[in-house]
Amino acid sequence: AQSVTQPDIHITVSEGASLELRCNYSYGATPYLFWYVQSPGQGLQLLLKYFSGDTLVQGIKGFEAEFKRSQSSFNLRKPSVHWSDAAEYFCAVGAGAAGNKLTFGGGTRVLVKP
Amino acid sequence: KAGVTQTPRYLIKTRGQQVTLSCSPISGHRSVSWYQQTPGQGLQFLFEYFSETQRNKGNFPGRFSGRQFSNSRSEMNVSTLELGDSALYLCASSLEGGAETQYFGPGTRLLVL
Repeated sequence: AQSVTQPDIHITVSEGASLELRCNYSYGATPYLFWYVQSPGQGLQLLLKYFSGDTLVQGIKGFEAEFKRSQSSFNLRKPSVHWSDAAEYFCAVGAGAAGNKLTFGGGTRVLVKP
Repeated sequence: KAGVTQTPRYLIKTRGQQVTLSCSPISGHRSVSWYQQTPGQGLQFLFEYFSETQRNKGNFPGRFSGRQFSNSRSEMNVSTLELGDSALYLCASSLEGGAETQYFGPGTRLLVL
Protein backbone atom coordinates (compact mmCIF):
# COMPACT_ATOMS: atom_id res chain seq x y z
CA ALA A 1 0.00 0.00 0.00
CA GLN A 2 1.20 3.47 -0.76
CA SER A 3 1.96 6.01 1.96
CA VAL A 4 3.23 9.57 2.22
CA THR A 5 5.09 11.16 5.10
CA GLN A 6 5.56 14.85 5.67
CA PRO A 7 7.92 15.00 8.65
CA ASP A 8 7.34 18.66 9.49
CA ILE A 9 3.93 19.54 10.90
CA HIS A 10 4.70 23.24 11.22
CA ILE A 11 7.34 25.47 9.64
CA THR A 12 7.87 29.15 10.35
CA VAL A 13 9.83 31.17 7.81
CA SER A 14 10.59 34.85 7.43
CA GLU A 15 9.25 36.69 4.41
CA GLY A 16 11.89 36.67 1.69
CA ALA A 17 13.64 33.60 3.05
CA SER A 18 13.76 30.29 1.25
CA LEU A 19 11.39 27.43 2.02
CA GLU A 20 11.76 23.68 1.71
CA LEU A 21 9.03 21.22 2.60
CA ARG A 22 9.89 17.58 2.87
CA CYS A 23 7.91 14.67 1.47
CA ASN A 24 8.77 10.96 1.53
CA TYR A 25 6.64 8.37 -0.17
CA SER A 26 6.29 4.63 -0.30
CA TYR A 27 4.94 3.10 -3.48
CA GLY A 28 5.76 -0.11 -5.28
CA ALA A 29 5.72 1.20 -8.84
CA THR A 30 6.58 4.47 -10.53
CA PRO A 31 4.86 7.11 -8.43
CA TYR A 32 2.71 9.94 -9.63
CA LEU A 33 3.44 12.76 -7.19
CA PHE A 34 1.67 15.97 -6.44
CA TRP A 35 1.92 19.00 -4.20
CA TYR A 36 -1.28 20.81 -3.28
CA VAL A 37 -1.80 23.94 -1.18
CA GLN A 38 -4.81 24.70 0.97
CA SER A 39 -5.65 28.12 2.36
CA PRO A 40 -7.96 28.29 5.39
CA GLY A 41 -11.50 27.28 4.53
CA GLN A 42 -10.60 26.50 0.95
CA GLY A 43 -10.21 23.44 -1.23
CA LEU A 44 -6.91 22.16 -2.58
CA GLN A 45 -5.01 23.94 -5.33
CA LEU A 46 -2.46 22.05 -7.39
CA LEU A 47 1.04 23.53 -7.20
CA LEU A 48 2.88 21.00 -9.34
CA LYS A 49 3.05 17.36 -10.34
CA TYR A 50 5.54 14.71 -11.39
CA PHE A 51 4.58 11.89 -13.69
CA SER A 52 7.83 11.11 -15.51
CA GLY A 53 10.78 12.75 -17.23
CA ASP A 54 12.74 15.64 -15.81
CA THR A 55 13.04 15.14 -12.07
CA LEU A 56 12.97 18.87 -11.35
CA VAL A 57 9.48 20.19 -11.94
CA GLN A 58 8.31 23.75 -11.93
CA GLY A 59 4.95 24.79 -10.62
CA ILE A 60 2.85 27.83 -10.04
CA LYS A 61 3.62 30.69 -7.65
CA GLY A 62 7.38 30.15 -8.02
CA PHE A 63 7.44 26.68 -6.48
CA GLU A 64 9.54 23.78 -7.67
CA ALA A 65 10.03 20.20 -6.53
CA GLU A 66 12.65 17.57 -7.13
CA PHE A 67 11.90 13.87 -7.45
CA LYS A 68 14.65 11.66 -6.03
CA ARG A 69 13.89 8.01 -6.56
CA SER A 70 16.88 6.81 -4.52
CA GLN A 71 15.60 8.70 -1.48
CA SER A 72 11.88 8.21 -2.17
CA SER A 73 11.48 11.95 -1.78
CA PHE A 74 9.68 14.76 -3.53
CA ASN A 75 10.62 17.93 -1.67
CA LEU A 76 9.01 21.26 -2.44
CA ARG A 77 11.05 24.47 -2.56
CA LYS A 78 10.60 28.18 -3.05
CA PRO A 79 13.57 30.57 -3.15
CA SER A 80 11.80 33.55 -1.56
CA VAL A 81 8.49 33.28 0.28
CA HIS A 82 5.78 35.88 0.31
CA TRP A 83 3.29 36.49 3.11
CA SER A 84 0.60 35.02 0.84
CA ASP A 85 2.39 31.65 0.92
CA ALA A 86 1.13 31.06 4.46
CA ALA A 87 -1.07 27.99 4.09
CA GLU A 88 -1.06 24.23 4.52
CA TYR A 89 0.81 22.15 1.99
CA PHE A 90 0.04 18.56 1.12
CA CYS A 91 2.14 16.03 -0.73
CA ALA A 92 0.25 13.20 -2.41
CA VAL A 93 0.98 10.05 -4.39
CA GLY A 94 -1.42 8.79 -7.04
CA ALA A 95 -2.41 5.23 -7.70
CA GLY A 96 -1.88 5.77 -11.42
CA ALA A 97 -3.30 3.02 -13.56
CA ALA A 98 -5.26 1.67 -10.62
CA GLY A 99 -7.54 4.65 -10.70
CA ASN A 100 -7.69 8.07 -9.29
CA LYS A 101 -7.01 7.41 -5.62
CA LEU A 102 -4.66 9.92 -4.02
CA THR A 103 -2.89 9.15 -0.76
CA PHE A 104 -1.98 12.32 1.10
CA GLY A 105 0.63 13.14 3.67
CA GLY A 106 -0.41 14.75 6.92
CA GLY A 107 0.36 18.24 5.67
CA THR A 108 2.81 20.97 6.67
CA ARG A 109 1.45 24.26 7.93
CA VAL A 110 3.61 27.20 6.88
CA LEU A 111 3.63 30.44 8.85
CA VAL A 112 5.34 33.46 7.31
CA LYS A 113 6.83 36.08 9.61
CA PRO A 114 7.02 39.68 8.39
CA LYS B 1 -14.10 26.96 -17.83
CA ALA B 2 -15.86 26.71 -14.49
CA GLY B 3 -14.16 24.77 -11.73
CA VAL B 4 -15.49 22.00 -9.56
CA THR B 5 -18.53 23.12 -7.61
CA GLN B 6 -19.91 21.60 -4.44
CA THR B 7 -23.20 22.20 -2.72
CA PRO B 8 -24.03 22.99 -0.07
CA ARG B 9 -20.92 24.67 1.30
CA TYR B 10 -21.94 24.28 4.93
CA LEU B 11 -24.28 21.88 6.63
CA ILE B 12 -25.33 21.18 10.20
CA LYS B 13 -26.99 17.88 11.04
CA THR B 14 -27.73 15.89 14.16
CA ARG B 15 -26.66 12.37 15.01
CA GLY B 16 -28.71 9.69 13.31
CA GLN B 17 -29.74 11.86 10.38
CA GLN B 18 -28.60 11.32 6.85
CA VAL B 19 -27.04 13.82 4.45
CA THR B 20 -26.48 14.13 0.71
CA LEU B 21 -23.69 16.22 -0.76
CA SER B 22 -23.44 17.20 -4.41
CA CYS B 23 -20.49 17.74 -6.73
CA SER B 24 -20.44 19.07 -10.28
CA PRO B 25 -17.15 18.33 -12.05
CA ILE B 26 -15.33 20.48 -14.56
CA SER B 27 -17.05 20.26 -17.92
CA GLY B 28 -15.75 17.25 -19.85
CA HIS B 29 -14.37 15.50 -16.78
CA ARG B 30 -15.73 12.01 -16.28
CA SER B 31 -13.96 10.92 -13.10
CA VAL B 32 -15.15 12.19 -9.73
CA SER B 33 -13.46 11.34 -6.45
CA TRP B 34 -14.49 12.14 -2.90
CA TYR B 35 -12.24 12.76 0.09
CA GLN B 36 -12.86 13.36 3.77
CA GLN B 37 -10.64 15.81 5.65
CA THR B 38 -10.54 15.85 9.45
CA PRO B 39 -7.97 17.25 11.89
CA GLY B 40 -7.30 13.82 13.31
CA GLN B 41 -7.17 11.63 10.21
CA GLY B 42 -6.18 14.15 7.58
CA LEU B 43 -7.24 13.67 3.98
CA GLN B 44 -8.69 10.25 3.24
CA PHE B 45 -10.01 8.82 0.01
CA LEU B 46 -13.65 7.79 0.08
CA PHE B 47 -14.43 6.58 -3.44
CA GLU B 48 -14.10 7.35 -7.13
CA TYR B 49 -16.77 7.23 -9.81
CA PHE B 50 -16.25 6.97 -13.54
CA SER B 51 -18.98 6.58 -16.13
CA GLU B 52 -21.59 6.11 -13.41
CA THR B 53 -19.66 3.19 -11.88
CA GLN B 54 -17.70 3.09 -8.64
CA ARG B 55 -14.15 2.32 -9.69
CA ASN B 56 -12.27 2.63 -6.40
CA LYS B 57 -13.29 2.60 -2.78
CA GLY B 58 -11.49 3.60 0.39
CA ASN B 59 -11.78 2.12 3.86
CA PHE B 60 -15.00 3.67 5.04
CA PRO B 61 -18.08 1.93 6.45
CA GLY B 62 -21.10 1.20 4.30
CA ARG B 63 -22.87 4.25 5.72
CA PHE B 64 -20.88 6.20 3.15
CA SER B 65 -22.15 5.76 -0.37
CA GLY B 66 -22.16 7.63 -3.61
CA ARG B 67 -23.39 7.68 -7.14
CA GLN B 68 -22.68 9.39 -10.41
CA PHE B 69 -25.16 10.54 -13.00
CA SER B 70 -24.92 10.43 -16.78
CA ASN B 71 -23.78 14.08 -16.84
CA SER B 72 -20.89 13.12 -14.50
CA ARG B 73 -22.34 14.99 -11.54
CA SER B 74 -21.90 13.03 -8.37
CA GLU B 75 -23.55 12.79 -4.99
CA MET B 76 -22.36 11.22 -1.80
CA ASN B 77 -24.63 10.14 0.98
CA VAL B 78 -23.90 9.48 4.62
CA SER B 79 -26.57 7.66 6.58
CA THR B 80 -26.98 7.43 10.34
CA LEU B 81 -24.61 10.30 10.99
CA GLU B 82 -22.11 10.08 13.84
CA LEU B 83 -20.25 12.88 15.58
CA GLY B 84 -17.04 11.66 13.96
CA ASP B 85 -18.46 12.33 10.51
CA SER B 86 -17.95 16.05 11.08
CA ALA B 87 -15.44 16.97 8.42
CA LEU B 88 -14.69 18.84 5.24
CA TYR B 89 -15.78 16.72 2.30
CA LEU B 90 -13.85 17.44 -0.86
CA CYS B 91 -14.75 16.45 -4.35
CA ALA B 92 -12.20 16.26 -7.16
CA SER B 93 -12.57 15.70 -10.86
CA SER B 94 -10.32 14.63 -13.70
CA LEU B 95 -10.76 13.74 -17.34
CA GLU B 96 -10.53 9.97 -17.25
CA GLY B 97 -8.90 9.08 -13.96
CA GLY B 98 -5.65 7.20 -13.65
CA ALA B 99 -2.42 9.12 -13.92
CA GLU B 100 -4.00 12.53 -14.19
CA THR B 101 -4.32 15.69 -12.20
CA GLN B 102 -7.34 15.94 -9.95
CA TYR B 103 -8.93 19.35 -9.54
CA PHE B 104 -10.60 19.98 -6.23
CA GLY B 105 -13.73 21.85 -5.31
CA PRO B 106 -14.04 24.15 -2.27
CA GLY B 107 -15.57 21.42 -0.15
CA THR B 108 -18.66 20.97 1.97
CA ARG B 109 -18.14 21.47 5.68
CA LEU B 110 -20.40 19.13 7.62
CA LEU B 111 -20.97 19.55 11.33
CA VAL B 112 -22.76 16.77 13.18
CA LEU B 113 -24.23 17.70 16.57
